[in-house]
Amino acid sequence: KNQVEQSPQSLIILEGKNCTLQCNYTVSPFSNLRWYKQDTGRGPVSLTIMTFSENTKSNGRYTATLDADTKQSSLHITASQLSDSASYICVVSNFGNEKLTFGTGTRLTIIP
Amino acid sequence: DADVTQTPRNRITKTGKRIMLECSQTKGHDRMYWYRQDPGLGLRLIYYSFDVKDINKGEISDGYSVSRQAQAKFSLSLESAIPNQTALYFCATSDLKARDRGAYNEQFFGPGTRLTVL
Repeated sequence: KNQVEQSPQSLIILEGKNCTLQCNYTVSPFSNLRWYKQDTGRGPVSLTIMTFSENTKSNGRYTATLDADTKQSSLHITASQLSDSASYICVVSNFGNEKLTFGTGTRLTIIP
Repeated sequence: DADVTQTPRNRITKTGKRIMLECSQTKGHDRMYWYRQDPGLGLRLIYYSFDVKDINKGEISDGYSVSRQAQAKFSLSLESAIPNQTALYFCATSDLKARDRGAYNEQFFGPGTRLTVL
């Protein structure tokens, strides 16, 4: 069964600090892995998309890594800002049918 | 994403009522999707449509129906709402032509509809 597991479920950090969110998946065959940011009351917005041949991709202060061998990904946020408070969702796409499997997300809270 | 709109944004209804949630997009995408999001669960696919004449069931289609009235419009109906259909519903779109260009089939989500069934 295709699954995407994220940790931690929630995280609270001080503004300006860095943090790393984790994603493990069992989706096969693998096509790509995406990280989405979902603000409260809003729809998810894509941060990064990586295929198996890409092991790191950055989008501003967000850097995603992918280890396709161990089926793990991480999202690193540098110099956090209050606006980073949101849920971060890891999503993995199946090769061929492009079916998406969503993780349950990590709820990140940045405090001043 | 302002290019994908959903109406209503919030709705409270009673058990047994028929409800329609609407989604419109100005992105010109051919593919549209309906998902529901529940606390503690990942988004789950209800229905998807690759064009006006192509409707497909997702993993949790029971109790729901859809209509693709035009390329830009995709509606989700609950024929007889029940309390366990209380959830946040999202519409999404993607561009098949992007995949054909070698790009990813990225999905763009609407702002969501919060539905409460009493």
